[in-house]
Amino acid sequence: GQQLNQSPQSMFIQEGEDVSMNCTSSSIFNTWLWYKQDPGEGPVLLIALYKAGELTSNGRLTAQFGITRKDSFLNISASIPSDVGIYFCAGHSQGSYKLIFGSGTRLLVRP
Amino acid sequence: SQTIHQWPATLVQPVGSPLSLECTVEGTSNPNLYWYRQAAGRGLQLLFYSVGIGQISSEVPQNLSASRPQDRQFILSSKKLLLSDSGFYLCAWSVKGDVDGYTFGSGTRLTVV
Repeated sequence: GQQLNQSPQSMFIQEGEDVSMNCTSSSIFNTWLWYKQDPGEGPVLLIALYKAGELTSNGRLTAQFGITRKDSFLNISASIPSDVGIYFCAGHSQGSYKLIFGSGTRLLVRP
Repeated sequence: SQTIHQWPATLVQPVGSPLSLECTVEGTSNPNLYWYRQAAGRGLQLLFYSVGIGQISSEVPQNLSASRPQDRQFILSSKKLLLSDSGFYLCAWSVKGDVDGYTFGSGTRLTVV
């Protein structure tokens, strides 16, 4: 079945630093999404990407849909303590009812 | 506006006891519904999804079952819990054909002792 490889597994950074995480897939997706999960809560959608090569920003967050349609990255600029959480990538294939999720990147920010 | 409710928020159950977790969606009709499990510090594992009343698809063989008795109600059950059933259970819904509308509930933390 389809799998997403997300890296890194975890990051411990200093407040103010930039962060980058990515996902790769063995197959093509039509949509890439990035979610954030705060501790003890359900994931919340951050950014959705619909076209190969698309670059989309949401405040300090920027995500790109890879040209091959098999990868995506998420950048967070000037990190702050409230960025702490688990970030998940997710991919969707045409005609499928399901999202395929990556294994998550746990982000810790040192004030 | 649409909302999704999950309860209970936390649950501690002995091994061998039954389980029933409930999820309801408000403000929409005919949603796709999903149950995910998240083990401690791990990713999201899709357990079941449903595209309509009485229609359940199981993703992985396990000790759990799901039912959709009403359009906006999704129930996760077990007859006899195992220690390995412990985890964080998340319900989610989406509008048919719209993956953007994949909205999660706040989750149920289940500890089997």
